[in-house]
Amino acid sequence: EDKVVQSPLSLVVHEGDTVTLNCSYEVTNFRSLLWYKQEKKAPTFLFMLTSSGIEKKSGRLSSILDKKELFSILNITATQTGDSAVYLCAVAFNDYKLSFGAGTTVTVRA
Amino acid sequence: KAGVTQTPRYLIKTRGQQVTLSCSPISGHRSVSWYQQTPGQGLQFLFEYFSETQRNKGNFPGRFSGRQFSNSRSEMNVSTLELGDSALYLCASSLTSSGYTFGSGTRLTVV
Repeated sequence: EDKVVQSPLSLVVHEGDTVTLNCSYEVTNFRSLLWYKQEKKAPTFLFMLTSSGIEKKSGRLSSILDKKELFSILNITATQTGDSAVYLCAVAFNDYKLSFGAGTTVTVRA
Repeated sequence: KAGVTQTPRYLIKTRGQQVTLSCSPISGHRSVSWYQQTPGQGLQFLFEYFSETQRNKGNFPGRFSGRQFSNSRSEMNVSTLELGDSALYLCASSLTSSGYTFGSGTRLTVV
């Protein structure tokens, strides 16, 4: 059975801290790994990773994939209260579906 | 460029009724997939359509069905509603089956 596991389930940090979120997977038919941020309703796209070892960056956020060890991390530096959200990791399969982890709830306190 | 549009935003239905939800994908996107999000189960895949054909279906009972029209708009239908069907239903559209853009969802409450 395919598994996508995120850790930690939740964390609380203060503004300015650095956060590292983990996503491990055991799947067949892997196509890519995606990270989303969900605040109220729609998950908003952050990154799509297909190749090992290539870091993707967007502002204070970055992510990398390790296809040998089957995990990805999402880093957020210099956190702000607006980073408070649920961060979702998903694996895209070759058969047109996404399998999501349970999410990590990040709370950034001022 | 318009995003993924889901209607209605909120619905309240009674057990035993049926419901139809609508999703209009981003212009040019031909793949539409549906997900159910609940606090207990998280986000779970329902089904995916491409050019009016269902290419994959998740582990949901037959009460959950969907279709896609020639303009790529999609609908999903849930018949004989149960309390456990209360959830946020999210639609995602994709151009390449790797990058998925989600709509804001339809919040269904079954009473």
